[in-house]
Amino acid sequence: DGGITQSPKYLFRKEGQNVTLSCEQNLNHDAMYWYRQDPGQGLRLIYYSQIVNDFQKGDIAEGYSVSREKKESFPLTVTSAQKNPTAFYLCATRQGGNTGELFFGEGSRLTVL
Amino acid sequence: AQSVTQLGSHVSVSEGALVLLRCNYSSSVPPYLFWYVQYPNQGLQLLLKYTSAATLVKGINGFEAEFKKSETSFHLTKPSAHMSDAAEYFCAVWNNFNKFYFGSGTKLNVKP
Repeated sequence: DGGITQSPKYLFRKEGQNVTLSCEQNLNHDAMYWYRQDPGQGLRLIYYSQIVNDFQKGDIAEGYSVSREKKESFPLTVTSAQKNPTAFYLCATRQGGNTGELFFGEGSRLTVL
Repeated sequence: AQSVTQLGSHVSVSEGALVLLRCNYSSSVPPYLFWYVQYPNQGLQLLLKYTSAATLVKGINGFEAEFKKSETSFHLTKPSAHMSDAAEYFCAVWNNFNKFYFGSGTKLNVKP
């Protein structure tokens, strides 16, 4: 099936540890995005990538890092520098053009203990 | 600059009643507008999108939205609510370059 796979679905982390969230897509979309979702705040953009080997910071990039070595993959690392990492993280992809919508994965819920 | 405002973080309707979820946007360019639905602990699913072809847009599950440029609005409606419509709904605008801007969401509760 075509789609976006995020893993793990649930993740627990101790303070001071880095953690990497996986996002894989087989939609052949060029653009990929990472969003953070907190209750009552909508979706906030962390990083995005429009082509392989290139990515840009979004509105809340501090404490996060990404890579885009393959078109299909856009992993997000939540570092120990992120002060409040407990959140729901969503990966999305997009076709080109102005009318293209975002396609979302099922999300990963990170809890810092 | 683009932004999206959703009025009402929580809306409650009875089953069979009209659903109206409000969205107002600001955009310095002709907007491309979207409505998404999210069920608990899941990703977002596209309901419908406005891309300037027609001001009244029909989407999935009986939802529709009307683009009103004079009011800078893109409200989501459904004539008759169903229990399965209970979810959170997000309005979004595309900035014609590289970003979507999302509203803060409206949680819809459907009472039996």
